[in-house]
Amino acid sequence: KQEVTQIPAALSVPEGENLVLNCSFTDSAIYNLQWFRQDPGKGLTSLLLIQSSQREQTSGRLNASLDKSSGRSTLYIAASQPGDSATYLCAGAEPLNTNAGKSTFGDGTTLTVKP
Amino acid sequence: GAGVSQTPSNKVTEKGKYVELRCDPISGHTALYWYRQSLGQGPEFLIYFQGTGAADDSGLPNDRFFAVRPEGSVSTLKIQRTERGDSAVYLCASSRTGYTGELFFGEGSRLTVL
Repeated sequence: KQEVTQIPAALSVPEGENLVLNCSFTDSAIYNLQWFRQDPGKGLTSLLLIQSSQREQTSGRLNASLDKSSGRSTLYIAASQPGDSATYLCAGAEPLNTNAGKSTFGDGTTLTVKP
Repeated sequence: GAGVSQTPSNKVTEKGKYVELRCDPISGHTALYWYRQSLGQGPEFLIYFQGTGAADDSGLPNDRFFAVRPEGSVSTLKIQRTERGDSAVYLCASSRTGYTGELFFGEGSRLTVL
């Protein structure tokens, strides 16, 4: 059974700092890994999707990497802003020949960027 | 529609009652997923539809939970004889295709069972 862990559970940084959020998974046979942002009381907003054959994806100030062999993904946020304050979740999708379509989520890292 | 739409946004019911939650996915998305999220936790998988059929319902907690997608678009999650432990935010997501698709979530339906 896939287990996804995000450490730390909460992180507070001053504005402008570069930061890294961590995501680890127990089964390296994931089909893809997706990072999301969730604001309080809202749904999940997709940030980046990394296919199993890829090693990283970039969007603006965000860069996500995937290392299947070590069971890790990181989300790098450059020049953090107060508007980046939210909970960030990662999710690994099951391989095609198992529970196709099912994604397992971590419990998220709640980020606070102080002005 | 432009995004995944879920109704109602909030539902308060009494223990033992029947509840229906509706999800309208992004137009043209063939895959639809239901997840459940409790406070402080990540979403927990419930069921996945590819077209009209449930491709994976392994996450449904018991037979009080049932979901349908009769025309391959809108889906309804049905909960019978609700219990206080069913209180959570029920999230719906869709993707253009299954397997490799990027998930797009709705705002969720917050269910409170008194």
